[in-house]
Amino acid sequence: SQQGEEDPQALSIQEGENATMNCSYKTSINNLQWYRQNSGRGLVHLILIRSNEREKHSGRLRVTLDTSKKSSSLLITASRAADTASYFCATSPTDSWGKLQFGAGTQVVVTP
Amino acid sequence: NAGVTQTPKFQVLKTGQSMTLQCAQDMNHEYMSWYRQDPGMGLRLIHYSVGAGITDQGEVPNGYNVSRSTTEDFPLRLLSAAPSQTSVYFCASSYSGTAQSPLHFGNGTRLTVT
Repeated sequence: SQQGEEDPQALSIQEGENATMNCSYKTSINNLQWYRQNSGRGLVHLILIRSNEREKHSGRLRVTLDTSKKSSSLLITASRAADTASYFCATSPTDSWGKLQFGAGTQVVVTP
Repeated sequence: NAGVTQTPKFQVLKTGQSMTLQCAQDMNHEYMSWYRQDPGMGLRLIHYSVGAGITDQGEVPNGYNVSRSTTEDFPLRLLSAAPSQTSVYFCASSYSGTAQSPLHFGNGTRLTVT
């Protein structure tokens, strides 16, 4: 069963706009991670946010974590065509050490 | 620095055949894992290893075997291929396990079982 669920499943925006996607999960976690996957490639790690952190930034990426609501969001500011990819959240459950569980992903298309 | 290397990139098998998907990493990572990715289902964990000589089952282990004789290599064996095993397989590693550090992924092996 999937721990994380992303919303929306798909997102289409124009260059320069912001893209926001959300992730909900079910159990207590050590951390939550966001990954990007370009078509036909492996996943690339973007940000890891620990359970005692509320917000984290990396370049144009901003991740928030609300453990009381068991949810996280990923914001990409000033989107570029190169941001077109699928984005996955993944959780490290406290009761399943070694098992990183992925959601089904959000497919983002950025048009020039 | 090659990172995580998977071979082959593509493979077609007939039902009942066996094969081994290779995975090697050159980052001296203790943790390695195998995932399969199917459309609309994200990634599902097959097996993982926290160090040489130690392996454990993930979410979907049936039909697959693994071993970890060295820190660098973590092969995945399909014992008797079935059409349900048609998928894209990813190997991933991390420095100290997913509770503390992110995964580094290979580029995947696309497997078709006819």
